[in-house]
Amino acid sequence: EIVMTQSPATLSVSPGERATLSCRASQSVSSNLAWYQQKPGQAPRLLIYGASTRATGIPARFSGSGSGTEFTLTISSLQSEDFAVYYCQQYNNWPLTFGPGTKVDIK
Amino acid sequence: QVQLVQSGAEVKKPGASVKVSCKASGYTFTSYGISWVRQAPGQGLEWMGWISAYNGNTNYAQKLQGRVTMTTDTSTSTAYMELRSLRSDDTAVYYCARDPGSSHRSPLNNWFDPWGQGTLVTVSS
Repeated sequence: EIVMTQSPATLSVSPGERATLSCRASQSVSSNLAWYQQKPGQAPRLLIYGASTRATGIPARFSGSGSGTEFTLTISSLQSEDFAVYYCQQYNNWPLTFGPGTKVDIK
Repeated sequence: QVQLVQSGAEVKKPGASVKVSCKASGYTFTSYGISWVRQAPGQGLEWMGWISAYNGNTNYAQKLQGRVTMTTDTSTSTAYMELRSLRSDDTAVYYCARDPGSSHRSPLNNWFDPWGQGTLVTVSS
């Protein structure tokens, strides 16, 4: 099973600042990586797939990069609606696995 | 618009079974798979398995093998997830999600978009 890790566990950021979230895979997943945003009491929402392709309707301030074992989600200028938990997920191997999440909260 | 609507909350006793439904609309049901993901209270996301709505092929998480069955009804565009021999640690919100993946042999494009609203399953004596 591919183990996904995310850092940091919590990221405190002021509105308008840049946020950089990291995701690491225990073995290469090529570019088969997705990012999701989850707000309290809501279902997750797909942000990025293929490591860097924004899903339909996702603002351009969200960008993904990386391949192999190291990935990054960048939010260029945090808006109030972006404070949430972010998960990465690999789909290179069965079973599909998620990282433990990074909580982005208000500084 | 593409939408997945799940059945309502359930309360079950340990040892019982639960069956959650997920009705799809706004797209060709048989052109995608459905993955099921659960989230225990205050915890992260756990993938449970995938089913092809085209041919019913499945791939289940090993830890749930033997307790979970995923099915689809193409006549109503509905997916089902049944979990048996429930334990207290099965208490979670269960989500279905549309999954573009098409093969049970190896994953390909298995991301999740959109998700259902979630179904809370509580297991308690």
